[in-house]
Amino acid sequence: QVQLVQSGAEVKTPGASVKISCKATGYTFNSRYMHWVRQAPGQGLEWMGIINPNVTSATYAQRFQGRLTITRDTSTSTVYMELSSLRSEDTAMYYCVRSIGGAGENWGRGTLVTVFS
Amino acid sequence: DIQMTQSPSTLSASVGDRVTITCRASQSISHWLAWYQQIPGKAPKLLIHKASTLQSGVPSRFSGSGFGTEFTLTISSLQPDDFATYYCQQYISYSAECFGQGTKLE
Repeated sequence: QVQLVQSGAEVKTPGASVKISCKATGYTFNSRYMHWVRQAPGQGLEWMGIINPNVTSATYAQRFQGRLTITRDTSTSTVYMELSSLRSEDTAMYYCVRSIGGAGENWGRGTLVTVFS
Repeated sequence: DIQMTQSPSTLSASVGDRVTITCRASQSISHWLAWYQQIPGKAPKLLIHKASTLQSGVPSRFSGSGFGTEFTLTISSLQPDDFATYYCQQYISYSAECFGQGTKLE
């Protein structure tokens, strides 16, 4: 079955960067796009970006342009999300999400990032 | 960017009730709309995509309808596991605001 296994929780100081991994198993890695979505505590869902595993480029939400980088390693079927210049408002649960035609079919369990000074 | 507005924000109902949640898009999104269910402490779960296609494994009491700018999610007979927060999402044009703000069913 499809599994998206994310890396563990992170605690960062303001201004630092965080890089989260998402290892995909149970399907052909190159066959589906992967999204990243985040959710601040007690808040709604916020779409961050998407990557086509067949190419190196990704598409990002305007508000994260310049701070967000999504990459993939096809040899390990892993997608990475790196967010830089962290601030307290970036404290959230971050999810990788396998796409089905654009919608989010399978979700990782989430990685909690806490930005704390 | 396309804005998604869900209503109501909170919905009180009882087991066995039929409930409907509405999602409106600020411009036409054709049928590119998904519905998710989120239980506290868990990742969202896809219920419906392409406005009315029931995701595999999702109970048939869930249904979706709509096209263009107005969409609905209906639960025909509420079960105890259905008390959760529901989100709509447009995916014709991605942006940070492509999700609705959520409807808490209590």
